[in-house]
Amino acid sequence: GAGVSQSPRYKVAKRGQDVALRCDPISGHVSLFWYQQALGQGPEFLTYFQNEAQLDKSGLPSDRFFAERPEGSVSTLKIQRTQQEDSAVYLCASSSYRDQPQHFGDGTRLSIL
Amino acid sequence: DAKTTQPNSMESNEEEPVHLPCNHSTISGTDYIHWYRQLPSQGPEYVIHGLTSNVNNRMASLAIAEDRKSSTLILHRATLRDAAVYYCILRAQTGGGNEKLTFGTGTRLTIIP
Repeated sequence: GAGVSQSPRYKVAKRGQDVALRCDPISGHVSLFWYQQALGQGPEFLTYFQNEAQLDKSGLPSDRFFAERPEGSVSTLKIQRTQQEDSAVYLCASSSYRDQPQHFGDGTRLSIL
Repeated sequence: DAKTTQPNSMESNEEEPVHLPCNHSTISGTDYIHWYRQLPSQGPEYVIHGLTSNVNNRMASLAIAEDRKSSTLILHRATLRDAAVYYCILRAQTGGGNEKLTFGTGTRLTIIP
């Protein structure tokens, strides 16, 4: 497809389980972003990659959150030992180059029971 | 990041123009004004951006005040598909690499048939 693809679309996990969320950016896009969106709020920045390099992870809420993009294309956001407060929609966005508009996927809705 | 202020919600009749305001009194000289919108159950979608001059594209127009302390997103003829949360975002054009977006809570636009 032409857009940013995220999988799974929905994920339910028990508290304490590890989860992995996948993002397939638009082919050739250099920049990749992860955002977290709580119910009724705007998205909040988590982390940023330029190709395979993670240049900013200042928004990751704790060391339980880890993101990677080993070959500069697909990215995975991993959350270890999930907590109820991790329940949110996780959005991935990519852009072709610096300062270009970001293209968002439709997100993964994560529910922690 | 400089802060923006938007009304929480607005209503408009279908097929009429809509003017969505945004105040950004602390904007700096290198900040671009970006607008994104988020339809229900979807990721945000880029709408338009500008620096000083008014801008037009196929989706909308952006009118920027002369002092740049406010702007207005104009939808020329609203349809039911324009019902969404609209976010006004300031983005520093530093070219430095990290172009994360800082979302507020946006304006929820309701279109009345």
